[in-house]
Amino acid sequence: ETGVTQSPTHLIKTRGQQVTLRCSSQSGHNTVSWYQQALGQGPQFIFQYYREEENGRGNFPPRFSGLQFPNYSSELNVNALELDDSALYLCASRQTSGGVPDTQYFGPGTRLTVL
Amino acid sequence: AQSVTQLGSHVSVSEGALVLLRCNYSSSVPPYLFWYVQYPNQGLQLLLKYTSAATLVKGINGFEAEFKKSETSFHLTKPSAHMSDAAEYFCAVSSNSGYSTLTFGKGTMLLVSP
Repeated sequence: ETGVTQSPTHLIKTRGQQVTLRCSSQSGHNTVSWYQQALGQGPQFIFQYYREEENGRGNFPPRFSGLQFPNYSSELNVNALELDDSALYLCASRQTSGGVPDTQYFGPGTRLTVL
Repeated sequence: AQSVTQLGSHVSVSEGALVLLRCNYSSSVPPYLFWYVQYPNQGLQLLLKYTSAATLVKGINGFEAEFKKSETSFHLTKPSAHMSDAAEYFCAVSSNSGYSTLTFGKGTMLLVSP
């Protein structure tokens, strides 16, 4: 069974640029969540996708957007990058079927540095 | 709204000593509680979770946690620390909704000395 994978591992961008981060969910999982982890902080929820629809969003501006594909993989897009966007971006996948929330399995993350 | 407070950004123990990492939560609905561990330059790995079954939860690597509703706590313990336990530990809470997401604490760095 393949776990959650993310690409790229590291990325360096300059302020004002746009970036796309990618996530492949664990086999059988239909829900993907993205989190931002700034240095020295806990992860913060950005948004969640279930069956290609966004069904939850944290306190992040619209320049953070995403997609989920029919194979349940996902992208996180960030436009007009700011210095404060420098962080580790974590993707987590799980199976959603109601009732008890299923465990979220995290990928290794993408380290984004904005100069 | 839900929140998690982890007391102590750093905890230092000697190898073989008891590990105690503190977590208090706030939730308007019955919570589901989690402990994750993060090794340097890696993602998060689930240690254990509480989902309204037994209040004492056993996890991987000898860790366990006890849910205490009266104290709104979910502290993580391990009887004997090992050097390999050195990592950052995050407590997280979610609601009982199938679409719920995780709210994390700020983390506690566990340092283990020989």
